[in-house]
Amino acid sequence: GAVVSQHPSRVICKSGTSVKIECRSLDFQATTMFWYRQFPKKSLMLMATSNEGSKATYEQGVEKDKFLINHASLTLSTLTVTSAHPEDSSFYICSAAREGAYNSPLHFGNGTRLTVT
Amino acid sequence: AQSVTQLDSQVPVFEEAPVELRCNYSSSVSVYLFWYVQYPNQGLQLLLKYLSGSTLVKGINGFEAEFNKSQTSFHLRKPSVHISDTAEYFCAVSGRTGANNLFFGTGTRLTVIP
Repeated sequence: GAVVSQHPSRVICKSGTSVKIECRSLDFQATTMFWYRQFPKKSLMLMATSNEGSKATYEQGVEKDKFLINHASLTLSTLTVTSAHPEDSSFYICSAAREGAYNSPLHFGNGTRLTVT
Repeated sequence: AQSVTQLDSQVPVFEEAPVELRCNYSSSVSVYLFWYVQYPNQGLQLLLKYLSGSTLVKGINGFEAEFNKSQTSFHLRKPSVHISDTAEYFCAVSGRTGANNLFFGTGTRLTVIP
């Protein structure tokens, strides 16, 4: 079946540094990838929609200069948390949609646990 | 826009007992509905989906859900739960307009008690 790989699974960084999270679709081309943030005991909050070859679309309230998204190819999207602060500590999950497969279930990565000290 | 309500944040149930996890949605357009399961520190795995056709949908691990348009519900059921079913369950909805954007409920923590 379809697999989405997310790396790293866990990362600890110091306040003020930047962290890059990768999301790869391993056996299909993903025109669109989504980045979610999950707070403890809360649902997934959509942060942005990443489209290959174009700028990401950010949800209201999400700082695009802080959460940089790049979707350089049909199999890779990256989320960079710039100048991270402790309040950015969270579980970040990406998902990918197969190219042309509208309204099909999304395939999710296993998430990245970010801890900012 | 769409939204999802999962009224039960936690559901404890004894092993081999039946369980129902409730999900209600709100939308001004026709929708697709999904249930996902999340194990600790992992991403989401699709349990089942309703796109069209029969309102009773069967998924993996013995789960099923029924789409009720009049009640705008999509409750998840399993006749006999196992310890391994302990996890977080999310109901999600997307509009039928061509976008894959999913709106999630706040999740229900199912705890199976031995």
